[in-house]
Amino acid sequence: GENVEQHPSTLSVQEGDSAVIKCTYSDSASNYFPWYKQELGKRPQLIIDIRSNVGEKKDQRIAVTLNKTAKHFSLHITETQPEDSAVYFCAAILFSGGYNKLIFGAGTRLAVHP
Amino acid sequence: DTGVSQDPRHKITKRGQNVTFRCDPISEHNRLYWYRQTLGQGPEFLTYFQNEAQLEKSRLLSDRFSAERPKGSFSTLEIQRTEQGDSAMYLCASLGGDVDGYTFGSGTRLTVV
Repeated sequence: GENVEQHPSTLSVQEGDSAVIKCTYSDSASNYFPWYKQELGKRPQLIIDIRSNVGEKKDQRIAVTLNKTAKHFSLHITETQPEDSAVYFCAAILFSGGYNKLIFGAGTRLAVHP
Repeated sequence: DTGVSQDPRHKITKRGQNVTFRCDPISEHNRLYWYRQTLGQGPEFLTYFQNEAQLEKSRLLSDRFSAERPKGSFSTLEIQRTEQGDSAMYLCASLGGDVDGYTFGSGTRLTVV
């Protein structure tokens, strides 16, 4: 089955710096890779996603890159702000007519210091 | 209602008691998932329903856990004889036609004392 590893587990940056979180997955058949932001006590919120037929996707200050050969994908946050502080989870899924269960990484706690 | 609703938001129970949680998915979503999230970890898959059929159960779902989705709409997750190790956030998610419609509820935080 799929396994997703995520690092670093904690990341501390100064406001305005960039933050990069990296994930690797094991199942080469996985075809959808979402990133979730979770604030304390709240639901995971989808912030960006990428499909396996795309190498990079950007949405304002956040971007995701995918290297299918190496089975790596990364989240990039530029010009970080204190409100970016949260736990970020990557996930992988083989989206098909089947079960579509998400396999999550262990999370990265991002702290943005003013 | 445009989101996934879960009830209750918080539950404190004594060890050995039974608890039941409810999830109301987005109405047009036929696929429903339960996940469990312990402190400092990512959500872990528990079980999956397509309409009323429970199609997959994780090994995490011991025989003290049972889930139902009787009419293919809302779902319940029951834990019998709760243990302290059951303390976690229980998240429900639903999915319609395309994968980017995967939507999580706010979760039920269970504390077993």
